[in-house]
Amino acid sequence: AQSVTQLDSQVPVFEEAPVELRCNYSSSVSVYLFWYVQYPNQGLQLLLKYLSGSTLVESINGFEAEFNKSQTSFHLRKPSVHISDTAEYFCAVTEFNKLIFGAGTRLAVHP
Amino acid sequence: NAGVTQTPKFRILKIGQSMTLQCAQDMNHNYMYWYRQDPGMGLKLIYYSVGAGITDKGEVPNGYNVSRSTTEDFPLRLELAAPSQTSVYFCASCGGDYNEQFFGPGTRLTVL
Repeated sequence: AQSVTQLDSQVPVFEEAPVELRCNYSSSVSVYLFWYVQYPNQGLQLLLKYLSGSTLVESINGFEAEFNKSQTSFHLRKPSVHISDTAEYFCAVTEFNKLIFGAGTRLAVHP
Repeated sequence: NAGVTQTPKFRILKIGQSMTLQCAQDMNHNYMYWYRQDPGMGLKLIYYSVGAGITDKGEVPNGYNVSRSTTEDFPLRLELAAPSQTSVYFCASCGGDYNEQFFGPGTRLTVL
């Protein structure tokens, strides 16, 4: 069975600093990978996804993630964060008709 | 489109009570899911459905039941509520396109 490990439960960072949220998954077979974001008291929203093709995928608000098959990783990065990026971020991987989620990383952006 | 809707938003139950959490989607998605979210634990799959009339257990099904009589609706039933069922519950749907799931706003349930 698939599993997803998000290596940091909390990441504090100052505004305009770069950030990386780490995600590793367990299987090396072909998978689809996702990052979801959850703002306080809201549901999850899709941030970006890797299905195939280019290993670097981007979101509309400046996040990017790189699929690394050899390291079974899908780390999320942003070169300069804003206060509004404060949220919880979940990495997920497909398993048949289901998604397997990591435990989440809480990103706290400070002024 | 309203997307995925959930009712109620909040609920407090007494131990032993029962209730049904409602979930509906208007995107004609075949796949629907129920998750619970506990602090620091991510999302755990309770039940899922791949189409009307078909349901299957997820990772943490004990204490819950589901039905899927229509494509649109996927209610989650709690029988004999226990404090361990205090959680935030999310419903999601998927059109089958690479498992991209769309989530509802959640129901915050407290069992006292």
